Amino acid sequence: EVQLLESGGGLVQPGGSLRLSCAASGFTFSSYAMSWVRQAPGKGLEWVSTISGGAGSTYYADSVKGRFTISRDNSKNTLFLQMNSLRAEDTALYYCAKAYCATAPCYSSSPFDPWGQGTLVTVSS
Amino acid sequence: DIQMTQSPSSLSASVGDRVTITCRASQGISNYLAWYQLRPGKVPKLLIYAASTLQSGVPSRFSGSGSGTDFTLTISNLQTEDVATYYCQKYYSAPLTFGGGTKVELK
Repeated sequence: EVQLLESGGGLVQPGGSLRLSCAASGFTFSSYAMSWVRQAPGKGLEWVSTISGGAGSTYYADSVKGRFTISRDNSKNTLFLQMNSLRAEDTALYYCAKAYCATAPCYSSSPFDPWGQGTLVTVSS
Repeated sequence: DIQMTQSPSSLSASVGDRVTITCRASQGISNYLAWYQLRPGKVPKLLIYAASTLQSGVPSRFSGSGSGTDFTLTISNLQTEDVATYYCQKYYSAPLTFGGGTKVELK
């Protein structure tokens, strides 16, 4: 069974930094692109970032470009999101999600399934 | 960047009703379109991908159609457990944009 478990969320002051992790199990991690998606309170889903299976390609939403960095450690089956220069508008529940495709390898242009439970990031003074 | 516009933003329907949600892309995306369900307190769930392919385990009352710029999600026989917000997403290329969501409530 595929499992995704996020961690690292919490309360941080504006301008601060936070590093999210997503521990994956139940599949060949390096064969799948992975993504981060967030949902701010009372708002819809917002795609944040995607990384290819081999980590050679990364993609970012304009709202986080230059402040967030996605990475992965395929030896540890873990996805990361380094968030710097945090703003109040970054407050959200952050989900990690696995690319879905019929047969691996699964590239960045894929839907997301499954999703983790999410980790809450609150940016406030 | 390609924008994804959903309509309506919310709707109210009765159990057994047929519900239709539309999603429009500002440029053609072939069939690189997914639909997700987000129920209160739950994790987003992939319902449909490639515009019309039902994900394994999803009830057959859900269906999707469309190609290019115009897409539709239909729930043929609304059930109480279908109360949720539904999102379309284009995954043709980054940015992998979501639509604004459609909240489905019971009348």
